[in-house]
Amino acid sequence: DTEVTQTPKHLVMGMTNKKSLKCEQHMGHRAMYWYKQKAKKPPELMFVYSYEKLSINESVPSRFSPECPNSSLLNLHLHALQPEDSALYLCASSLRQSDTQYFGPGTRLTVL
Amino acid sequence: AQTVTQSQPEMSVQEAETVTLSCTYDTSENNYYLFWYKQPPSRQMILVIRQEAYKQQNATENRFSVNFQKAAKSFSLKISDSQLGDTAMYFCAFGSGGYQKVTFGTGTKLQVIP
Repeated sequence: DTEVTQTPKHLVMGMTNKKSLKCEQHMGHRAMYWYKQKAKKPPELMFVYSYEKLSINESVPSRFSPECPNSSLLNLHLHALQPEDSALYLCASSLRQSDTQYFGPGTRLTVL
Repeated sequence: AQTVTQSQPEMSVQEAETVTLSCTYDTSENNYYLFWYKQPPSRQMILVIRQEAYKQQNATENRFSVNFQKAAKSFSLKISDSQLGDTAMYFCAFGSGGYQKVTFGTGTKLQVIP
């Protein structure tokens, strides 16, 4: 099983809403990542978790809050987002932080 | 800091022909990895090929091969016998041996024409 799954596929939310994105992998990977991708641009790293601990926060605004409840699951909690936060949010995982990353299909987020 | 440059924003190739996508990078490190990822219009990012800098032999995966020139800091991707399913955005990426994160290039949009 070399699959990273993400739910939901699409999400539309207002600026006052609270929502969460979910990412799951069952490959035994110990590093997990959140990326933000705008149209026709490369992914931008947001957060890295290594062995369930936050390893990197790329100065992401606090309206994005990551959580890694266990080694298979990664969440991204969203609150008071802005329209410019609309993007494709990609999750990835790797065996360790230095290994090849495998990506999920992404969540298309629209903030109204 | 590492940089990755893809100088070809868009390319097209006839089905069954061969195409080469260019990538250059800049780093002062000796131990690193290079990747090509493919992102079709359906959006999932897929690993195409990976190259370890310490390996002199160029990596190959079926119709995909790389030309890794370490001294020139060049890492091009050759796609042979192009197929319609190869239509996608291709990202070159760099990761160092003890890397904390991967640096992506700006991407090359490849269109395979029937």
